[in-house]
Amino acid sequence: AQSVTQPDIHITVSEGASLELRCNYSYGATPYLFWYVQSPGQGLQLLLKYFSGDTLVQGIKGFEAEFKRSQSSFNLRKPSVHWSDAAEYFCAVGARGTASKLTFGTGTRLQVTL
Amino acid sequence: DTAVSQTPKYLVTQMGNDKSIKCEQNLGHDTMYWYKQDSKKFLKIMFSYNNKELIINETVPNRFSPKSPDKAHLNLHINSLELGDSAVYFCASSPNQGNQPQHFGDGTRLSIL
Repeated sequence: AQSVTQPDIHITVSEGASLELRCNYSYGATPYLFWYVQSPGQGLQLLLKYFSGDTLVQGIKGFEAEFKRSQSSFNLRKPSVHWSDAAEYFCAVGARGTASKLTFGTGTRLQVTL
Repeated sequence: DTAVSQTPKYLVTQMGNDKSIKCEQNLGHDTMYWYKQDSKKFLKIMFSYNNKELIINETVPNRFSPKSPDKAHLNLHINSLELGDSAVYFCASSPNQGNQPQHFGDGTRLSIL
């Protein structure tokens, strides 16, 4: 069974500082990996995805993530955080194949101080 | 235009009632999903339909019954609502190809009194 661990429940960073949100997954083969962001009262917006190929993937809003097979990780990074990045971030793993369900981590709440 | 739309956005009702949540997507996707997000923000798949056919049915009480009249709609009917059903329910859709991400609606916040 697939699973996702986000070890950090809550992270606070200063505006302009760099950010790294951790994600570890468990899956028997090469998974599909995603990062979604949820602002208060909103749905989930896709930040980026990894399916195959280049292990460093670029997403929207200046985010990037790196797939490391040896560490079963897919950490999300941003070089300079903006106050509008404050939200809940979810890492998810999906099985390969059509109509695969997503298994989500428990989320990391990002707070940005000015 | 909203890609995945859910109605209602908020639903407050009494324990024991029956209620429905509707979901529509205008993306031309073949697959639709229902997820439940609990008070701790944990998201868990409930159901998935592909071209009106149920393909994922997680361990969900049979009080929950999804219905897909066509591939653009996936509704969720809940009978005999319980306090533990209070949550945010998200609808999502994706193309049939496995390497495409899911698009989510804004959620329906269900509160049971």
